Amino acid sequence: DSGVTQTPKHLITATGQRVTLRCSPRSGDLSVYWYQQSLDQGLQFLIQYYNGEERAKGNILERFSAQQFPDLHSELNLSSLELGDSALYFCASSVDGTATSMYGYTFGSGTRLTVV
Amino acid sequence: DAKTTQPNSMESNEEEPVHLPCNHSTISGTDYIHWYRQLPSQGPEYVIHGLTSNVNNRMASLAIAEDRKSSTLILHRATLRDAAVYYCILRAFATNTGNQFYFGTGTSLTVIP
Repeated sequence: DSGVTQTPKHLITATGQRVTLRCSPRSGDLSVYWYQQSLDQGLQFLIQYYNGEERAKGNILERFSAQQFPDLHSELNLSSLELGDSALYFCASSVDGTATSMYGYTFGSGTRLTVV
Repeated sequence: DAKTTQPNSMESNEEEPVHLPCNHSTISGTDYIHWYRQLPSQGPEYVIHGLTSNVNNRMASLAIAEDRKSSTLILHRATLRDAAVYYCILRAFATNTGNQFYFGTGTSLTVIP
């Protein structure tokens, strides 16, 4: 157990639907990162939150959004789902998100999303 | 972040050392070199990181070239559990920007019994 908890582990939904993925960071970590991993794209950075505020955006679609709550857990919302959104979605956390970037990430075990 | 280049795949015999190379010719002076690995059906996990000097931990060793344009992750005795995709990533010492890691395609390591 890495200390980063992601729920649900598996999700199957239909095209056009909306889903919410949840991530609880490791205790003491303030920064949360979301990544998408599909077979043909590898690990793609989506978005980062630090202590409740958005810090950086990567290749995140406009149909996707995220937030980090006061208790530091984060949710990734995916709407108007398409077949191509089927992927593994990973959350990672780290102690900080700014100056001391030598610190590493701790990843969760991911949510496997299947859009049918 | 600067780009890294790794071989797509490598093979090793069990209980032999493995040297996983990474080229990062555009590295800047403050970039840290990080290695992560991803076991099948799991999230990536931290392996090791360094700046200039060689580093050792319980998982592996990191050898950094004197000009820092390349590095090598060394697994001293490969086991079947070391079969994974290994990612070499550079991280800039940022102050106000995001701290995200950008993963490349990595090296898929196969360990042969």
